[in-house]
Amino acid sequence: KQEVTQIPAALSVPEGENLVLNCSFTDSAIYNLQWFRQDPGKGLTSLLLIQSSQREQTSGRLNASLDKSSGRSTLYIAASQPGDSATYLCAVPSGGYNKLIFGAGTRLAVHP
Amino acid sequence: DVKVTQSSRYLVKRTGEKVFLECVQDMDHENMFWYRQDPGLGLRLIYFSYDVKMKEKGDIPEGYSVSREKKERFSLILESASTNQTSMYLCASSLEWKAFFGQGTRLTVV
Repeated sequence: KQEVTQIPAALSVPEGENLVLNCSFTDSAIYNLQWFRQDPGKGLTSLLLIQSSQREQTSGRLNASLDKSSGRSTLYIAASQPGDSATYLCAVPSGGYNKLIFGAGTRLAVHP
Repeated sequence: DVKVTQSSRYLVKRTGEKVFLECVQDMDHENMFWYRQDPGLGLRLIYFSYDVKMKEKGDIPEGYSVSREKKERFSLILESASTNQTSMYLCASSLEWKAFFGQGTRLTVV
């Protein structure tokens, strides 16, 4: 059964730092991996989707990498800002129809 | 722009009531999902639908049912609400592996 783990569970950094969030999964036979952002009390917003044939995807200050063989993905946030404060979740599809298995998330706080 | 809309942001219901959570998407997606999110347990799949009137149980379907009479609308039904169903409920639709979520419904059962 696929399991997704995210480390660290929480992170507090000063504004301007570059940071890395980690996601690992137990079954490497995945089609893709998706990173989401969730603000308190709100729904999830898709940030990046990496297909299994890709090594990384970039959107603005965000860069996500995928290493299927080692069962790992990282989300790199450059020059962090207070507006980046949120919970970041990674998810992989499992069992068809794009049913997603989520990690527990990393709660990020960027302070001025 | 892609839009998934849940009918309520906050809902308070009494134990034993029948509760309907509505979700509408405007993207003609075939796949729709209901998840619940609880502290320490993360997001868990309740039910999903891959076509009109087609549905399958997820990981935690007990106490819930769903309805999908039209492609754009997917409803979650709590047959007899209980306090352990107090949670954040998230609806999603997907196309070509990308998932889009609604804003969530915070349900409190008292």
